[in-house]
Amino acid sequence: SQQGEEDPQALSIQEGENATMNCSYKTSINNLQWYRQNSGRGLVHLILIRSNEREKHSGRLRVTLDTSKKSSSLLITASRAADTASYFCATTLGSSNTGKLIFGQGTTLQVKP
Amino acid sequence: SQTIHQWPATLVQPVGSPLSLECTVEGTSNPNLYWYRQAAGRGLQLLFYSVGIGQISSEVPQNLSASRPQDRQFILSSKKLLLSDSGFYLCAWTFTGDTEAFFGQGTRLTVV
Repeated sequence: SQQGEEDPQALSIQEGENATMNCSYKTSINNLQWYRQNSGRGLVHLILIRSNEREKHSGRLRVTLDTSKKSSSLLITASRAADTASYFCATTLGSSNTGKLIFGQGTTLQVKP
Repeated sequence: SQTIHQWPATLVQPVGSPLSLECTVEGTSNPNLYWYRQAAGRGLQLLFYSVGIGQISSEVPQNLSASRPQDRQFILSSKKLLLSDSGFYLCAWTFTGDTEAFFGQGTRLTVV
């Protein structure tokens, strides 16, 4: 079973608009990570937010974490066509040293020029 | 700096043939290593992960196996491939279980 589940599964927006993706998870976490995957490529790490953080920014990315609701959101502001990709959240099951990294099903984002 | 190599990039194999995919990491010691499989348009399914040489945890019952003969080498194998083994296989490493993961470029496996 998946630890993280993203919502929506697919999202299509116009360039310049904001894109919001959500992730829900089941167990307690030390941190939550977001990754990006261009079609047919490996995943690239975007941002990590720790369980004691509520919000984190990196460039046009804003991540929030609500541990009481076991959910996180990724906001991409002023989207560009180059942001077209799949986005995944990931959490660790088990201890911080030996735990396993589990990914959700992802949100496919299409940004139309 | 650390790098991860995964090969081959694409592979077409007949049903019943063996499989060996290799992943190596450079520039770090004792990494946690992972094999994931991704079906088209889907998320990543964790197949195996390893926290040390010879230590392999299997996540999904299947006809695949993994080995870690050296600290920075992770191999995915099968004795006889099935059609259902087709997919995109990704190798990754982390410093610990909850740090950033670094991915290889993936292997597109098609079983015919």
